[in-house]
Amino acid sequence: EPEVTQTPSHQVTQMGQEVILRCVPISNHLYFYWYRQILGQKVEFLVSFYNNEISEKSEIFDDQFSVERPDGSNFTLKIRSTKLEDSAMYFCASSEGLGRPKNIQYFGAGTRLSVL
Amino acid sequence: AQKITQTQPGMFVQEKEAVTLDCTYDTSDQSYGLFWYKQPSSGEMIFLIYQGSYDEQNATEGRYSLNFQKARKSANLVISASQLGDSAMYFCAMRGTGTASKLTFGTGTRLQVTL
Repeated sequence: EPEVTQTPSHQVTQMGQEVILRCVPISNHLYFYWYRQILGQKVEFLVSFYNNEISEKSEIFDDQFSVERPDGSNFTLKIRSTKLEDSAMYFCASSEGLGRPKNIQYFGAGTRLSVL
Repeated sequence: AQKITQTQPGMFVQEKEAVTLDCTYDTSDQSYGLFWYKQPSSGEMIFLIYQGSYDEQNATEGRYSLNFQKARKSANLVISASQLGDSAMYFCAMRGTGTASKLTFGTGTRLQVTL
């Protein structure tokens, strides 16, 4: 069964460092998303991406964040200068399309980011 | 703006019993979708079931069913014949009408299945 793959599963970094979180969405999917979940809290939307551009972003997704689809398979989230409050689980998700049932978003296993 | 409310922070159910996890939502969109995801202790988010706002029948997927009451704006998840492996966090989420259809999540319900 196709799945969304995220690497690494756990990333530890020092405050102020840049990190890149990687995702391989399901191959025929067209819509890509990043969400984050601070420990013990609900899942929050960061950004959606379609047709090689950002479709929507939340207030959390400030200038420190960027996304890229560098090739036909990878989808990355970059945090330029990490802060302590960026520590969270980051989920990548993808969906085939917008109409039902294509709008179901399938999630990866997440990358746990720890900023020290 | 969309809002999802899950009022049960924790629930207990005995193995083989049925359990209902509550979810209410608020939206001004006419077309929307409601989702339930399971998050085990390992952390991944597993899609369980989907209900579209115009679906006339309640959605079912194996032991999962969604009790959709549009007038009440509720989308409760019913798990029948609970198993120990059902112990997890359960999130209700909503997708509205939008270009890329982001999901808005509730705060979740932690379900513990006991012997």
